[in-house]
Amino acid sequence: NAGVTQTPKFQVLKTGQSMTLQCAQDMNHEYMSWYRQDPGMGLRLIHYSVGAGITDQGEVPNGYNVSRSTTEDFPLRLLSAAPSQTSVYFCASSRSEDLNTGELFFGEGSRLTVL
Amino acid sequence: QKEVEQDPGPLSVPEGAIVSLNCTYSNSAFQYFMWYRQYSRKGPELLMYTYSSGNKEDGRFTAQVDKSSKYISLFIRDSQPSDSATYLCAMRPHSSASKIIFGSGTRLSIRP
Repeated sequence: NAGVTQTPKFQVLKTGQSMTLQCAQDMNHEYMSWYRQDPGMGLRLIHYSVGAGITDQGEVPNGYNVSRSTTEDFPLRLLSAAPSQTSVYFCASSRSEDLNTGELFFGEGSRLTVL
Repeated sequence: QKEVEQDPGPLSVPEGAIVSLNCTYSNSAFQYFMWYRQYSRKGPELLMYTYSSGNKEDGRFTAQVDKSSKYISLFIRDSQPSDSATYLCAMRPHSSASKIIFGSGTRLSIRP
């Protein structure tokens, strides 16, 4: 019963490096999203997808790219990492009908440090 | 100004106490209101959900929404050490199911 799986759990990057945070869900959820969590700022929506081939921007999309080629996977790409992107990143998914109740299923997070 | 404001705490209360957690918001379009609980080093999990104004009770937890004041609350009765966690309010407008906005979270500690 995997749910939402995020990899890696921890990552240290140097400024300017690129990397991809992976997110996979096995619940056949149409909706997937990426949030970042910073002290005092709460969870902020980066990008989201309502189905394969469809993505849209959230509150803080700059510096991040996403794609959704399958229902299961929703990777988040950092093109040129900056220290301001040091954060804990959470992937979340939901059935479309459960969005009405706001029930998002979250992964355990990926802690990223950019030096 | 943030759309959703939440006191970060930390809030420390003795076991058995009634806990009150609150959020204020500025967007009058918000119609759906949620409370998430997040244990340390884990992802948040949905605790309760309320639509529009009113109260909702689930065991020891009661969620209240006052849309006229743009104020929501979560009450925890007979608090237990296992309730120690960060509690995040969240909300979204009727028109946009995809964009759920979160508060910054209140860190709660229940002392045995």
